[in-house]
Amino acid sequence: DGGITQSPKYLFRKEGQNVTLSCEQNLNHDAMYWYRQDPGQGLRLIYYSQIVNDFQKGDIAEGYSVSREKKESFPLTVTSAQKNPTAFYLCASRDGNTGELFFGEGSRLTVL
Amino acid sequence: QKEVEQNSGPLSVPEGAIASLNCTYSDRGSQSFFWYRQYSGKSPELIMFIYSNGDKEDGRFTAQLNKASQYVSLLIRDSQPSDSATYLCAVIRYGNKLVFGAGTILRVKS
Repeated sequence: DGGITQSPKYLFRKEGQNVTLSCEQNLNHDAMYWYRQDPGQGLRLIYYSQIVNDFQKGDIAEGYSVSREKKESFPLTVTSAQKNPTAFYLCASRDGNTGELFFGEGSRLTVL
Repeated sequence: QKEVEQNSGPLSVPEGAIASLNCTYSDRGSQSFFWYRQYSGKSPELIMFIYSNGDKEDGRFTAQLNKASQYVSLLIRDSQPSDSATYLCAVIRYGNKLVFGAGTILRVKS
């Protein structure tokens, strides 16, 4: 089945540790996005990529890094510089014809 | 000013009524507009998208776009308890940056 796969679904991290969230898509979409969602809040854009080997900062990129070496993959690293990393992280890819975003099931990160 | 603004709610409507959800956006260059529904703890799912001024209907849902007023709305007819969720408005800006509003919580009471 085509779709977006995020892993892990749940992740616990100690303060000061970096962690990488995986996002893989088999929809052949060029554009991919990472959003952060805090309880009771909307989605805030972290990074997005419109094509392989290119990405742009979103509204809250500080403390995060990404790479886009393959069309199918857009991993997000949450670094120790991110002050409040506990959140629900959503990856998405966008259909270039309709603009629709297709979301993964999300990764819930908790910093202990 | 936020790029995309929604009333956080909660908006409470009785079962069978029409629910009206509203969204305003700041960038006049915005081109495409989306409504997503999100259940607690789940990822958002697309309800409708609209590109042109006017109304677009799909089943019980109608999206309305007014670019002059920078306003997009979603009407849900014959609201059901299963419609209770958070509704997110999203806008594609120049450069394919897709920005979401904070969402409106809808509660349909049976």
